[in-house]
Amino acid sequence: GAVVSQHPSWVICKSGTSVKIECRSLDFQATTMFWYRQFPKQSLMLMATSNEGSKATYEQGVEKDKFLINHASLTLSTLTVTSAHPEDSSFYICSARDGGLAGQSYNEQFFGPGTRLTVL
Amino acid sequence: GNSVTQMEGPVTLSEEAFLTINCTYTATGYPSLFWYVQYPGEGLQLLLKATKADDKGSNKGFEATYRKETTSFHLEKGSVQVSDSAVYFCALTPRQGGKLIFGQGTELSVKP
Repeated sequence: GAVVSQHPSWVICKSGTSVKIECRSLDFQATTMFWYRQFPKQSLMLMATSNEGSKATYEQGVEKDKFLINHASLTLSTLTVTSAHPEDSSFYICSARDGGLAGQSYNEQFFGPGTRLTVL
Repeated sequence: GNSVTQMEGPVTLSEEAFLTINCTYTATGYPSLFWYVQYPGEGLQLLLKATKADDKGSNKGFEATYRKETTSFHLEKGSVQVSDSAVYFCALTPRQGGKLIFGQGTELSVKP
């Protein structure tokens, strides 16, 4: 149980286009989802926290108009990179947390496999 | 504030060697502590966790003990394998829930 999927696993796009990344919790309801960005050989940087049905909370320095996050249901959150540029190329990872999964700690997050974005 | 500090990598070991990756933390209250592993090109997988002082998390031969007195959560394995080569992240989350705070990651390379 507690599986999180991401789609696509990798995407290449041209500069100026927008890219949407989906994050799904497959076997539990994710009341909260998190979006991270990871640069090569570095740690994960939290970009934003999204709660189902409400606006995402962005970390300091993250442009909310560039990284649009939607958490429309308890199993799906999307991250849209708008007007992508080469500096947006990165590995984007989502995670999901369930506050009511039996036997699991409220604090535990389950991670997706990541999406590698390359902007040409 | 809350923070996690890990030993710097890369760590290079021979197969069957003993592994220790140090992790210390700063936190208010009583956080939950985690070790995550990231294999090349993949997302993070939870390796083990501990939610209170003196708890020992263990999985796949890896162990870590929540030491409140030294604010540490060192990762150990008695005999590493080539397949253990990955990046290991120590992390905490405050007891009241919220963000995972990661250390900088430690790359482990195990040679045959």
